[in-house]
Amino acid sequence: EAGVAQSPRYKIIEKRQSVAFWCNPISGHATLYWYQQILGQGPKLLIQFQNNGVVDDSQLPKDRFSAERLKGVDSTLKIQPAKLEDSAVYLCASSLDFTSGETSTDTQYFGPGTRLTVL
Amino acid sequence: QKEVEQNSGPLSVPEGAIASLNCTYSDRGSQSFFWYRQYSGKSPELIMFIYSNGDKEDGRFTAQLNKASQYVSLLIRDSQPSDSATYLCAVLSGGSYIPTFGRGTSLIVHP
Repeated sequence: EAGVAQSPRYKIIEKRQSVAFWCNPISGHATLYWYQQILGQGPKLLIQFQNNGVVDDSQLPKDRFSAERLKGVDSTLKIQPAKLEDSAVYLCASSLDFTSGETSTDTQYFGPGTRLTVL
Repeated sequence: QKEVEQNSGPLSVPEGAIASLNCTYSDRGSQSFFWYRQYSGKSPELIMFIYSNGDKEDGRFTAQLNKASQYVSLLIRDSQPSDSATYLCAVLSGGSYIPTFGRGTSLIVHP
């Protein structure tokens, strides 16, 4: 079974530029998560999708971040314009179905992440 | 704001010893609890999950959950240098199933 795919793996941009990240979850997984992980901290949930609907985006800085999952499969996360404090690893994860409340289906599997450096 | 607290460490143990990692959470309605291991520069990988009070064992790993006291712990028996990593505690809140991660505890197992 293929894992969660993310691209690019690394990105360096200057502040005020825009950047986009792509994620393809494990086949059949309905729930997709985007996290921001700053060095030395735990992952912070930015947005959670169930199929192509948003479950939670309360911690997404909506003035500069946007995300979509149009066909309920792969997803893109965009930052425009980027700030220095956006330097972090952006992790994508997927789970089979969080709505069941059973840990066998709400277990998250992570992709390799995208390391973003904003200069 | 639901919180998950972990001591950042580092926790240093000798090879062969038992490492004990702790996590407390604020949302009393939380239902699912996970431990992830994260090596430096890598993404988190699942070690185990637990959702019932008590102990759950998987090889050298034992997760312990006490919902009344709102804590979950991970014991690693016969610690090996390859266990050196950051251990992340994750909690799914009841009802909404939105995950919250702790900041992780750095474990160092020295030969």
